Amino acid sequence: KNQVEQSPQSLIILEGKNCTLQCNYTVSPFSNLRWYKQDTGRGPVSLTIMTFSENTKSNGRYTATLDADTKQSSLHITASQLSDSASYICVVRSGGSYIPTFGRGTSLIVHP
Amino acid sequence: SQTIHQWPATLVQPVGSPLSLECTVEGTSNPNLYWYRQAAGRGLQLLFYSVGIGQISSEVPQNLSASRPQDRQFILSSKKLLLSDSGFYLCAWSLAGEVGEQYFGPGTRLTVT
Repeated sequence: KNQVEQSPQSLIILEGKNCTLQCNYTVSPFSNLRWYKQDTGRGPVSLTIMTFSENTKSNGRYTATLDADTKQSSLHITASQLSDSASYICVVRSGGSYIPTFGRGTSLIVHP
Repeated sequence: SQTIHQWPATLVQPVGSPLSLECTVEGTSNPNLYWYRQAAGRGLQLLFYSVGIGQISSEVPQNLSASRPQDRQFILSSKKLLLSDSGFYLCAWSLAGEVGEQYFGPGTRLTVT
């Protein structure tokens, strides 16, 4: 059964600090992995997508890594801002499937 | 550019009443369409997906149903709502094919009382 596990479940940091969110998956065959940001009461928005051959991708202050051998991904946020407060969702798609597998998300709160 | 609309934005319905949520996509043809539900503090649960008009696949057995009467219209319905149907309902689309990014609508907050 395809699964995506995210940790931590929630995280509180001070503005300006860095943080790293984790995603472990057991999806096969692997096609791609996306990180989404979901603001409260809004739909998720894609931050990055990574395929099997990519191990690092950046989008501004967000940097995602992928280790396809260990089936792990991380999302690193640099110099956090109050607007980074949101849920971050890891989504993995298997080859040949219309249906991605979603993690439960990590709730990030950035305090001033 | 493509846009996705959902309405209503919020809805409060009594137990046992019917439900109809609508989702429309503009700016693309033959998209894959999805309905998700997100309970408070939980992840996204896929309810239905459609790869074409009249083609609906159900992922979770429940008292909800979906229809796709037009290429870019996706409707989520129920004949009798349950308290457990409360949640945040999200519609999403992706380009035809299995590897495309999903684009989410703004969501509908449903409270069943």
